[in-house]
Amino acid sequence: AQSVTQPDIHITVSEGASLELRCNYSYGATPYLFWYVQSPGQGLQLLLKYFSGDTLVQGIKGFEAEFKRSQSSFNLRKPSVHWSDAAEYFCAVAGNNNDMRFGAGTRLTVKP
Amino acid sequence: EPEVTQTPSHQVTQMGQEVILRCVPISNHLYFYWYRQILGQKVEFLVSFYNNEISEKSEIFDDQFSVERPDGSNFTLKIRSTKLEDSAMYFCASKGRGASMDTQYFGPGTRLTVL
Repeated sequence: AQSVTQPDIHITVSEGASLELRCNYSYGATPYLFWYVQSPGQGLQLLLKYFSGDTLVQGIKGFEAEFKRSQSSFNLRKPSVHWSDAAEYFCAVAGNNNDMRFGAGTRLTVKP
Repeated sequence: EPEVTQTPSHQVTQMGQEVILRCVPISNHLYFYWYRQILGQKVEFLVSFYNNEISEKSEIFDDQFSVERPDGSNFTLKIRSTKLEDSAMYFCASKGRGASMDTQYFGPGTRLTVL
């Protein structure tokens, strides 16, 4: 079965600084990859997804992610973080059996 | 923009009681899911549902759990006899097409507290 690892439990960045959240996946076939964001007490909002084609995908709120098959990675990036980006970020991989596996999440804190 | 809705937003129940969590998926979607997130932990897959039957379930989804699509709009998760460890946020999701190449849209969740 597919699985996802998010190595960083908690990251703190200053407002305006760049951000990279790491995600590594394990799946035998072509993965379908997602990043979701969860604000406190809220549901999951899709930031972006990768199915095929261009390995650099753009999402909402200025986020992008790059799929690197050789590294089994799908890291999320943002060039300049805003205070409103503080949240929990989940990477997920979907398999052919229609189930989605999530990583443990990375909590982002933004310092003023 | 269409969205997945869930009711109630918060459910408090006594251990051993039955609870039913309700979801209204996006209207033209065909695949439906339940996930669970214990406080401070990751989101875990419970079950997927298509064509009025379960298509996939995880080891968490034991005999205490059941799902149903009682009419054309609702999708429910029933926990027959709740345990303390069932306390969690439960998310419903729905998806349009059959292939994995589609996005699951999540509802806002129901927080279940078992006392």
